[in-house]
Amino acid sequence: KAGVTQTPRYLIKTRGQQVTLSCSPISGHRSVSWYQQTPGQGLQFLFEYFSETQRNKGNFPGRFSGRQFSNSRSEMNVSTLELGDSALYLCASSLVQGSRTEAFFGQGTRLTVV
Amino acid sequence: QKEVEQDPGPLSVPEGAIVSLNCTYSNSAFQYFMWYRQYSRKGPELLMYTYSSGNKEDGRFTAQVDKSSKYISLFIRDSQPSDSATYLCAFPSTDSWGKLQFGAGTQVVVTP
Repeated sequence: KAGVTQTPRYLIKTRGQQVTLSCSPISGHRSVSWYQQTPGQGLQFLFEYFSETQRNKGNFPGRFSGRQFSNSRSEMNVSTLELGDSALYLCASSLVQGSRTEAFFGQGTRLTVV
Repeated sequence: QKEVEQDPGPLSVPEGAIVSLNCTYSNSAFQYFMWYRQYSRKGPELLMYTYSSGNKEDGRFTAQVDKSSKYISLFIRDSQPSDSATYLCAFPSTDSWGKLQFGAGTQVVVTP
């Protein structure tokens, strides 16, 4: 069974540009969540999508947005990039197993803003 | 006060030693807990989960919960250099299935 696939693995962008990251969840998983990981703040929740609907959103500015398609694949977009957006962006696909949720992460996209 | 507290380390131990990791939490509504392992430049991988009512053992790994103290632990027995990674505790959100709250992660280094 294929895992969570994130593309691209690495990106270098200039301040002010915008970027789109892609995530293909595990087959059959309908929930996709995005996280930002930095050395100073750790893993922080960005948003969650389920069946093409945003179900929850973290405390990030409106420059961060996302969407989910009918095949559960998800994209996140960051507009007007700032140096502080440099981070590892992780996508997780989730499956509810009984009373718990198991989240499986992709390898991440490392974004560097210069 | 953060909902989840975890010492970032680094924690350096000799090969074969027992590694002891822990997190404290403040939300008594958490129903289960998870430990993830993250190697450098990789995404986190689910290592273990345990419900708030008990402990769990899986090979060299043991997860424990102390509900009264709001404290969870992960023990790694007979540690190996391949166990060198960052270990993160994670707690499910009470308002959304797919949202997890993570501790800061503890970096573990097992030296041969």
